[in-house]
Amino acid sequence: GIQVEQSPPDLILQEGANSTLRCNFSDSVNNLQWFHQNPWGQLINLFYIPSGTKQNGRLSATTVATERYSLLYISSSQTTDSGVYFCAVEKTSGSRLTFGEGTQLTVNP
Amino acid sequence: DGGITQSPKYLFRKEGQNVTLSCEQNLNHDAMYWYRQDPGQGLRLIYYSQIVNDFQKGDIAEGYSVSREKKESFPLTVTSAQKNPTAFYLCASSRRQDLPLHFGNGTRLTVT
Repeated sequence: GIQVEQSPPDLILQEGANSTLRCNFSDSVNNLQWFHQNPWGQLINLFYIPSGTKQNGRLSATTVATERYSLLYISSSQTTDSGVYFCAVEKTSGSRLTFGEGTQLTVNP
Repeated sequence: DGGITQSPKYLFRKEGQNVTLSCEQNLNHDAMYWYRQDPGQGLRLIYYSQIVNDFQKGDIAEGYSVSREKKESFPLTVTSAQKNPTAFYLCASSRRQDLPLHFGNGTRLTVT
């Protein structure tokens, strides 16, 4: 099956700092999503981004499908950004969404 | 408000008992999913359903069963055959299989 690798596994920031999270995948995909899991376990869909660039407030994401990676940018981080960020990909329509192991982000005040 | 409701939030069971986790959605989504998450790890797919009365095994279906009798509901039964059932269980849905996935708040199951 398709392999999904996220980096870094852990990241600690001071409030106000910027960060970039990376997701590499082993095959071409037609579906890529980024999620944030807060410390209480709730998972929120941040972006549906199989290709191109999207922005939502302080967050933006870019997927370069031909080079098999996606980047999630967090600007001016806040303590509420803490949690785990997951990347998930689907190789072909009708196959399964495969999750990476996540990046644990801690934003300190 | 539309959303996905999982109940209960916490569930405790004795080893050897079957237990059913509830998942209801009012988003009119066709596809529904069950994932398992163990501490410090990603999500693994247990079962998924693209349409009523049809479902497929995911990567770790052994010891679990599901039904999809109504579009809104996709309950998961953790049977006594599941060797290590203690975990965080997440239900999700999407309008169609390759569209954005939305999650419920999860059920933490502890089996002793």
